[in-house]
Amino acid sequence: DSGVTQTPKHLITATGQRVTLRCSPRSGDLSVYWYQQSLDQGLQFLIQYYNGEERAKGNILERFSAQQFPDLHSELNLSSLELGDSALYFCASSLPRGLANTGELFFGEGSRLTVL
Amino acid sequence: AQTVTQSQPEMSVQEAETVTLSCTYDTSENNYYLFWYKQPPSRQMILVIRQEAYKQQNATENRFSVNFQKAAKSFSLKISDSQLGDTAMYFCAIYNFNKFYFGSGTKLNVKP
Repeated sequence: DSGVTQTPKHLITATGQRVTLRCSPRSGDLSVYWYQQSLDQGLQFLIQYYNGEERAKGNILERFSAQQFPDLHSELNLSSLELGDSALYFCASSLPRGLANTGELFFGEGSRLTVL
Repeated sequence: AQTVTQSQPEMSVQEAETVTLSCTYDTSENNYYLFWYKQPPSRQMILVIRQEAYKQQNATENRFSVNFQKAAKSFSLKISDSQLGDTAMYFCAIYNFNKFYFGSGTKLNVKP
């Protein structure tokens, strides 16, 4: 168990709809990353937050948005969904507050989104 | 910009044999971390091994070891005594300044 919790684990929805994926990082971790992984593909970096602020942005579509809240949990919002958005969405956390940074990313189990 | 290249999209190895997965990276930084992550069919991302760039000694975790060549910017993963449970996608990654860069992955199939 990595300590990173993602909900929901599975989600099936229709094109044009909007969904929200939630991530609770490891206790004390300040940084949250979101990745998208389509079937048999690599990890596509979407966005990173650090202590509530956006730190880096990757190949995130304008239809997608994210935020990190004061309690450090994060949400990824996907809107106007298309068939091609079907993927596994990973959240990962790192950078514990007050402790040495080992550089390791801790991954949740992912949210599997299917758009029909 | 930092990049990570895994030039072997797919590899196979016989059970109990040894296999080496290649990874090269590009960075202008001197201090960074390198990782190998494993993604089995369950698709969970699991850390296999970690190497700090300032350490010359190669990291080892049981049957997994790395060959870290800093000057050549190479970070290969050796799996000894391959087991069926090692069948997975393996991702190489570099980290520094709070940013991670992953390679495209190598799919490893361990055959009985």
